[in-house]
Amino acid sequence: DIQMTQSPASLSASLEEIVTITCQASQDIGNWLAWYQQKPGKSPQLLIYGATSLADGVPSRFSGSRSGTQYSLKISRLQVEDIGIYYCLQAYSAPLTFGSGTKLEIK
Amino acid sequence: QVQLKESGPGLVQPSQTLSLTCTVSGFSLTSNSVHWVRQPPGKGLEWMGGIWGDGSTDYNSALKSRLSISRDTSKSQVFLKMNSLQTDDTAIYFCTRFGGAPFDYWGQGVMVTVSS
Repeated sequence: DIQMTQSPASLSASLEEIVTITCQASQDIGNWLAWYQQKPGKSPQLLIYGATSLADGVPSRFSGSRSGTQYSLKISRLQVEDIGIYYCLQAYSAPLTFGSGTKLEIK
Repeated sequence: QVQLKESGPGLVQPSQTLSLTCTVSGFSLTSNSVHWVRQPPGKGLEWMGGIWGDGSTDYNSALKSRLSISRDTSKSQVFLKMNSLQTDDTAIYFCTRFGGAPFDYWGQGVMVTVSS
């Protein structure tokens, strides 16, 4: 099974700050990486797919990048509504696997 | 528009079987796949398994012996059955579509508690 190592587990940042979350895949998954945001009591929402493509309706301050088997989600200017838990997902091969999540808070 | 909705019992007794239904609209089950993801209280997301457009299935290795996913395309429904439930199967169960992008639409989730 492909393991996704996500870091950090939690993150506290100031408004307007740049925030970066990373996921390391245990093997090559190409661009089959997606990012999700989950707010309390809600279903996860797709942010990024194909490692770098922005999902419909997602603000442009969110972006995704890839360097080998390391994937990053960047929020360019943190806003209050960005608080929540972020997960990566590898969709390269079954079993599909999520990262362990990053809890993002406002400092 | 694309919608998914989970339904099923909120309470299941230990050792019993869980049966959930995901009713979808706005897309075809033969050209998209539907997956089940669960989330224990206060914990992360776990992919359970899915049924692809061609009807083939894949399962989480840890659940494979207990889990079955099927569908009825005429009713636009996907089914989850998992047997031998234990307390650590208590979770919110989501169904989600793998369409143009992975898990691009989600249901609201259904809370399932395993308790006697």
